[in-house]
Amino acid sequence: DIQMTQSPSSLSASVGDRVTITCRASQDIRNDLGWFQQKPGKAPKRLIYSAFSLQTGAPSRFSGRGSGTEFALTISSLQPEDFATYYCLQHATYPHTFGQGTKLEIK
Amino acid sequence: EVHLVESGGGLVRPGGSLRLSCAASGFTFSDHYMDWVRQAPGKGPEWVGRIRNKVNSYTTEYAASVKGRFTVSRDDSQNSVYLQMNSLKNEDTAVYYCTRSVVGSGCFDYWGQGTLVTVSS
Repeated sequence: DIQMTQSPSSLSASVGDRVTITCRASQDIRNDLGWFQQKPGKAPKRLIYSAFSLQTGAPSRFSGRGSGTEFALTISSLQPEDFATYYCLQHATYPHTFGQGTKLEIK
Repeated sequence: EVHLVESGGGLVRPGGSLRLSCAASGFTFSDHYMDWVRQAPGKGPEWVGRIRNKVNSYTTEYAASVKGRFTVSRDDSQNSVYLQMNSLKNEDTAVYYCTRSVVGSGCFDYWGQGTLVTVSS
């Protein structure tokens, strides 16, 4: 199975900050990667697909980059509604696997 | 607007069975692959299984942790996908989500609200 390693596991930041979360795959997954946001008690929501494509309706302050084994999600200017947990997902091979999550908290 | 609504969760004893349903609306259901993803309390999401569309012969894929115990099926005439869960274990306790995938545009672009399955004696 492909292991997805996210870092950091938690992050404290302030409104207006620029933050980056990274995800490393244990083997080449091309650009078969998505990023999801989850708030407590809610289903995850997809923000980015195919490593860098913005999901329809997702704010443009979210961006993704990378290919192969190294990926990143950047939020250009944190808004209050962005404090949540973020997960990466690889779907290059079965089983599809998620990262362990990054909890983004208010400083 | 895309809607996915799960039902069928509840409390079941270890070794028991449960069938989850997911009713879809707002899109051409028969065109899409459908997946089940679960999330145990306090943990990250875990992919459970997939069923492809008719063009791809309704073939299925499963996580190793559920293979041989869980079965994903679909009824395109009812715009529904199902998860039959047999030989349930305590570690199957989770919120189960129905998700949609778009061939060529990644996975899990829409999710249902989830249904809680609790396996306990």
